[in-house]
Amino acid sequence: DQQVKQNSPSLSVQEGRISILNCDYTNSMFDYFLWYKKYPAEGPTFLISISSIKDKNEDGRFTVFLNKSAKHLSLHIVPSQPGDSAVYFCAALKSSGDKLTFGTGTRLAVRP
Amino acid sequence: DAGITQSPRHKVTETGTPVTLRCHQTENHRYMYWYRQDPGHGLRLIHYSYGVKDTDKGEVSDGYSVSRSKTEDFLLTLESATSSQTSVYFCAITTGFYGYTFGSGTRLTVV
Repeated sequence: DQQVKQNSPSLSVQEGRISILNCDYTNSMFDYFLWYKKYPAEGPTFLISISSIKDKNEDGRFTVFLNKSAKHLSLHIVPSQPGDSAVYFCAALKSSGDKLTFGTGTRLAVRP
Repeated sequence: DAGITQSPRHKVTETGTPVTLRCHQTENHRYMYWYRQDPGHGLRLIHYSYGVKDTDKGEVSDGYSVSRSKTEDFLLTLESATSSQTSVYFCAITTGFYGYTFGSGTRLTVV
């Protein structure tokens, strides 16, 4: 049972445009969400996070939006750069003491 | 870099043989995790540890065992490797506010 889902396995975007990566979750007990970025032959690295008490968190070109009623979060990258080409995983957990549950990942390709 | 290393980086082994992967951390973190990454499945938790000799199962623990005799080392053993265990394995430690830091991974091929 996949509690965190990324329904788009891949996304291709032109350099300079916006990239939007989506993530849905089913467990209403999740209250903290993270995005990780993974390059080939490397481990995932933390990108940005958001608590369920917020609906938006911004860090430079990266913004995460959370819609709790829809159990949906999205990562916006503006403007997209070729170096952003990677696999992006969303992850969720219950802050009461839990392990991260990851989505299936979305491969982003930013075309020059 | 949180000082987490995995070894080996690559391994090819035959079906039915035991295999041990090692995760080593240098910063005395209490929690350590083993994940596997497979296309279409993302990252799935195999086992985790919350201290020396304290371990527990994740969602895909069948066919795997772990040991943690020292804070710095977390070992993952495939007791009798099968082709379905061909995967990329990542070790992680808890760092920061709910975040994990991952190692660089071990690519395991079972032939």
